Amino acid sequence: AQSVAQPEDQVNVAEGNPLTVKCTYSVSGNPYLFWYVQYPNRGLQFLLKYITGDNLVKGSYGFEAEFNKSQTSFHLKKPSALVSDSALYFCAVRFLSGNTGKLIFGQGTTLQVKP
Amino acid sequence: NAGVTQTPKFQVLKTGQSMTLQCAQDMNHNSMYWYRQDPGMGLRLIYYSASEGTTDKGEVPNGYNVSRLNKREFSLRLESAAPSQTSVYFCASSVRQGPGELFFGEGSRLTVL
Repeated sequence: AQSVAQPEDQVNVAEGNPLTVKCTYSVSGNPYLFWYVQYPNRGLQFLLKYITGDNLVKGSYGFEAEFNKSQTSFHLKKPSALVSDSALYFCAVRFLSGNTGKLIFGQGTTLQVKP
Repeated sequence: NAGVTQTPKFQVLKTGQSMTLQCAQDMNHNSMYWYRQDPGMGLRLIYYSASEGTTDKGEVPNGYNVSRLNKREFSLRLESAAPSQTSVYFCASSVRQGPGELFFGEGSRLTVL
């Protein structure tokens, strides 16, 4: 079955340190991969996506993500975390083969950045 | 720059009551979606509309109906609300299916007593 997993419910980092939020997927085909961020009581905001090409994708607010096909992963990274990065992060996958357009979301990872 | 607008933002229902969540987008997008968000479960797709005039079931369609009224509007109806439908509902839209990202509304928080 096609699925996406975020293995960590919460990630805690100190401000100024690098951060990583993990995402893995299972797929029978080539996926489109996305990261979204949700601030309290708000809708989801698009951060970045991987479609094809360079495995390192740069997005909004200094975030980037690395697509690793052999490990079926798409981890979100940022070199230096800010307190304002604290939010709920969702990885999402849309599959191409047999695709009906559905975007499948992971369970979400809460990022807590402490001063 | 309204983007995706959902109404109402909050609603409390009694079991068995019906209601409709409204969604409108002003970005001329072809595809629209309804998701529900529950703690620890991420977002789950209820229904989607790939283009005007079409609708399809998502992961959790039971207890819901949708109408793609025109290109701008996509409504979600609960005919007989149940406590299990207590959730935050998000409408989203995209240019089309495939690589385009989704744009989300601010959400509608529904409580069924």
